[in-house]
Amino acid sequence: KNQVEQSPQSLIILEGKNCTLQCNYTVSPFSNLRWYKQDTGRGPVSLTIMTFSENTKSNGRYTATLDADTKQSSLHITASQLSDSASYICVVSAKAAGNKLTFGGGTRVLVKP
Amino acid sequence: DVKVTQSSRYLVKRTGEKVFLECVQDMDHENMFWYRQDPGLGLRLIYFSYDVKMKEKGDIPEGYSVSREKKERFSLILESASTNQTSMYLCASSPPLPSYEQYFGPGTRLTVT
Repeated sequence: KNQVEQSPQSLIILEGKNCTLQCNYTVSPFSNLRWYKQDTGRGPVSLTIMTFSENTKSNGRYTATLDADTKQSSLHITASQLSDSASYICVVSAKAAGNKLTFGGGTRVLVKP
Repeated sequence: DVKVTQSSRYLVKRTGEKVFLECVQDMDHENMFWYRQDPGLGLRLIYFSYDVKMKEKGDIPEGYSVSREKKERFSLILESASTNQTSMYLCASSPPLPSYEQYFGPGTRLTVT
């Protein structure tokens, strides 16, 4: 069964600090992995997307890494800002028609001043 | 910019009512999806559609049906709403492969009393 597990479930950090979120998956055959940011009460918005051949991708202060051998990904937030307070969802796609996705449960990040 | 809109942000319905959730996208995407999001469970796929009048069951289709009469519009129907269908409902659309991106609407918070 395809699964995506994220850790930690929640995280509190001080403004300006860095943090790293983890994602482990068992989706097969692997197609791509993406990280979404979801603000409270809003739909998810894509941050990064990586295919098998990519092991790192950045979007501003967000940097995602992918190790396809160990089936792990991480999302690193640099110099956090209050606006980074949100849920971060790891999503993995298997090679199948229709772009069906397997979602992780998300990590809720709270940035405190 | 891709825009996915949902007919209501908040909805309150009574048990046994028929409920329609509407989703419209403006990018001529072939694929459209309905998810529900519950705390601790992440996003779960209810139904998806590859094309007009085509639909496929997702992971949790029980108690739901869908309709796609026009390419830009994908409707989720709760034939007889129950309290366990209280949830956040998210619609998404995506272009065909090789694009991997899914674009989400803002969500509809449905409460069934």
